[in-house]
Amino acid sequence: NAGVTQTPKFQVLKTGQSMTLQCAQDMNHNSMYWYRQDPGMGLRLIYYSASEGTTDKGEVPNGYNVSRLNKREFSLRLESAAPSQTSVYFCASSFGRNYEQYFGPGTRLTVT
Amino acid sequence: DAKTTQPNSMESNEEEPVHLPCNHSTISGTDYIHWYRQLPSQGPEYVIHGLTSNVNNRMASLAIAEDRKSSTLILHRATLRDAAVYYCILKSGNTPLVFGKGTRLSVIA
Repeated sequence: NAGVTQTPKFQVLKTGQSMTLQCAQDMNHNSMYWYRQDPGMGLRLIYYSASEGTTDKGEVPNGYNVSRLNKREFSLRLESAAPSQTSVYFCASSFGRNYEQYFGPGTRLTVT
Repeated sequence: DAKTTQPNSMESNEEEPVHLPCNHSTISGTDYIHWYRQLPSQGPEYVIHGLTSNVNNRMASLAIAEDRKSSTLILHRATLRDAAVYYCILKSGNTPLVFGKGTRLSVIA
């Protein structure tokens, strides 16, 4: 089992560019999450998907959109990147929202 | 959201036990106490969780005070690989995890 995989590992964008961060899990989990982590800070929830076909906003959703493509995949899209979105992005999954979460290795995004 | 308070940093010698404290004086009856850790340049990793009783697993033990206003994560023999940021998080039902700044644990050989 690969667990939670994220692509790409690193990305540099110019202000205004768009991109999609990909996340996939092979644990048959129902719930998936996107977090961001700024230097020296804890993780903050951007969006989550409690189950296939549903998505909900987290603490810091502005500037992002998500798609729960199927049970395995949950993507995060930045439509018009801003320097404030420079961060490390982590995807996570869990069997359900009451269960422990498993995290991917992260995507380090820099917006110049 | 109920909040937790943890020391910013702690230090331990290798192969000695480590007790990581967490205060959560406003915990509600339905809040579970979760611990995650984040090794350098990695995503967080689930460690343990509990409600009222002490819990043990292969990674650690969780000691919960009788009034549930504090808890302690116990690593029985710290190794260099245990150097990480440890997060104590209260979670109730379907509420999402809310990460604070955690405790940065350094392990000295």
